[in-house]
Amino acid sequence: QVQLRESGPGLVKPSETLSLTCAVSGGSISNYYWSWIRQPPGKGLEWIGYMYYNENTNYNYNPSLKSRVTISADMSKNQFSLKLTSVTAADTAVYYCVRTLSGWEAKWFDPWGQGTLVTVSS
Amino acid sequence: SYELTQPLSVSVALGQTARITCDGNNIGSKNVHWYQQKAGQAPVLVIYRDTNRPSGIPERFSGSNSGNTATLTISTAQAGDEADYYCQLWDNRGVFGGGTKLTVL
Repeated sequence: QVQLRESGPGLVKPSETLSLTCAVSGGSISNYYWSWIRQPPGKGLEWIGYMYYNENTNYNYNPSLKSRVTISADMSKNQFSLKLTSVTAADTAVYYCVRTLSGWEAKWFDPWGQGTLVTVSS
Repeated sequence: SYELTQPLSVSVALGQTARITCDGNNIGSKNVHWYQQKAGQAPVLVIYRDTNRPSGIPERFSGSNSGNTATLTISTAQAGDEADYYCQLWDNRGVFGGGTKLTVL
């Protein structure tokens, strides 16, 4: 059974870079899509982007965040990471890492990590 | 960009059937997925590709999708079903509805 766990700083200063890591256990990150999704306090879900890790790794980012987002993987540690640059208070949210399943021109999310709250504040 | 519209809240009497809708332009031509999020917890997939239940999800949860509306149906609602429910589809990116708070009376 695949399990995901996010880690990283809970507090980031405005204009700095938010960095999170997702450790995957119970399965390899190879040949699957892996996404980051966030949820501002009291609000809905926003997909940030995904990566697909194999010999031809590919990426897809939410156009609204694309200029600030990078998702990468560390195969040796079976984990993937999120970097979000130039953060503001609007980036304060619970960040989830999620396995992304794919088929029939659809993608859906299962399972989810427990989530980690990142607050942007000076 | 594609938009999904959900009612902010739905109420259902204990033991009755709850229906949560998700509206989108010709949504019936797309695959819709549903997530349950209980207070303070991460979302959990309850329906994928319109009508499919993941392992461990009770048969009380079912889905349908036609025309401009996808629907999550929860039969014999229980107190433990109180949660926020989100619909989602893929439109070259992940798109979520705004979420519906289900209250079991």
